[in-house]
Amino acid sequence: DADVTQTPRNRITKTGKRIMLECSQTKGHDRMYWYRQDPGLGLRLIYYSFDVKDINKGEISDGYSVSRQAQAKFSLSLESAIPNQTALYFCATSDPDQGKLFFGSGTQLSVL
Amino acid sequence: KNEVEQSPQNLTAQEGEFITINCSYSVGISALHWLQQHPGGGIVSLFMLSSGKKKHGRLIATINIQEKHSSLHITASHPRDSAVYICAVKAAGNKLTFGGGTRVLVKP
Repeated sequence: DADVTQTPRNRITKTGKRIMLECSQTKGHDRMYWYRQDPGLGLRLIYYSFDVKDINKGEISDGYSVSRQAQAKFSLSLESAIPNQTALYFCATSDPDQGKLFFGSGTQLSVL
Repeated sequence: KNEVEQSPQNLTAQEGEFITINCSYSVGISALHWLQQHPGGGIVSLFMLSSGKKKHGRLIATINIQEKHSSLHITASHPRDSAVYICAVKAAGNKLTFGGGTRVLVKP
């Protein structure tokens, strides 16, 4: 099984719909992140969490919210999806000692 | 200007060739990551370094903190090395800033 699992892998939705992307990890890491990737652009941070009670906005948090339900679970919600939120979304964890990053396989979201 | 610039954006090599990818950044950093993103989309961490040089198999990463520059070298390149290579820097606040990636194609 993958260390960081994202569901779904692909999602097509319509403008205005509420969408939740889920992420779970078996690494035992406190630190978790949500990124989006757009063609030709670097990964951009949406939200991050350094433990269950800690939620922080990244550089592009508008239009998104997150929930850290447990150490292992970190979900991303789009309250009212819009077409410019069409992107590839990645969840990641990091080891604070070694700093190594572990990514999920990504969720390709298309908003029509 | 992006804080992290990678060059080249695209690179095509013949199998067996030596490949170099460059990453320049404009801020003080505590660490730099090199990541590999395969055509299927998954991202794998290759290296994290804060000084000097690291080697893993045919991959070598170097960093020059004074010059704010890092390179990723692939020796004896193989078609399975075809991927997008991403540089990311860790500056203040433990957050990462990512470069736009270098798309590498190795032809047999």
